Amino acid sequence: DTGVSQDPRHKITKRGQNVTFRCDPISEHNRLYWYRQTLGQGPEFLTYFQNEAQLEKSRLLSDRFSAERPKGSFSTLEIQRTEQGDSAMYLCASSPFGSSTDTQYFGPGTRLTVL
Amino acid sequence: GENVEQHPSTLSVQEGDSAVIKCTYSDSASNYFPWYKQELGKRPQLIIDIRSNVGEKKDQRIAVTLNKTAKHFSLHITETQPEDSAVYFCAARGSGGSYIPTFGRGTSLIVHP
Repeated sequence: DTGVSQDPRHKITKRGQNVTFRCDPISEHNRLYWYRQTLGQGPEFLTYFQNEAQLEKSRLLSDRFSAERPKGSFSTLEIQRTEQGDSAMYLCASSPFGSSTDTQYFGPGTRLTVL
Repeated sequence: GENVEQHPSTLSVQEGDSAVIKCTYSDSASNYFPWYKQELGKRPQLIIDIRSNVGEKKDQRIAVTLNKTAKHFSLHITETQPEDSAVYFCAARGSGGSYIPTFGRGTSLIVHP
């Protein structure tokens, strides 16, 4: 299945632990987005990269959250000192720069459960 | 910022009927409106989108209409099939450079055979 990939697909952790998720965008896409989705809600924007530059962060992204895209390809999202409220599906999406459609293509998500 | 309201939250129809999902947005500068379909346990997938310079767009059984004056847009699915059952999300994206859409809360469409 070509397209955006995310790893792991599921993560169960204990409160207070750190977790890291990875996203591999479609290879020619230089924009990468992270979203969080909880049950009964649409995806909520967390942060956005153009190439390796993190251009925007949501107020939802507390100091415990950090994202990187060091070489402008894959990205990682780290959550430190996880809390039960962090339990959610974390979605990554990518889009090509300068596209007239700006369509975002989503990955399958990483489901995080914090016990 | 942008605020997107989506209704209904649940829609149950019989196979072959039409389904309509409606969304309103608050930012008059929004100019791109995608619709995503998310099946259980799967990723959101774009099914259709419309730009603010177009009033209607159709792709086989799916159509989207946009009323810029009223700031609302709708998804129409005709001749529904059981495989149309999924959660549908609308989104609105402003004209700024970040290309970040604001999503509605989703509509769970159930098509009964």
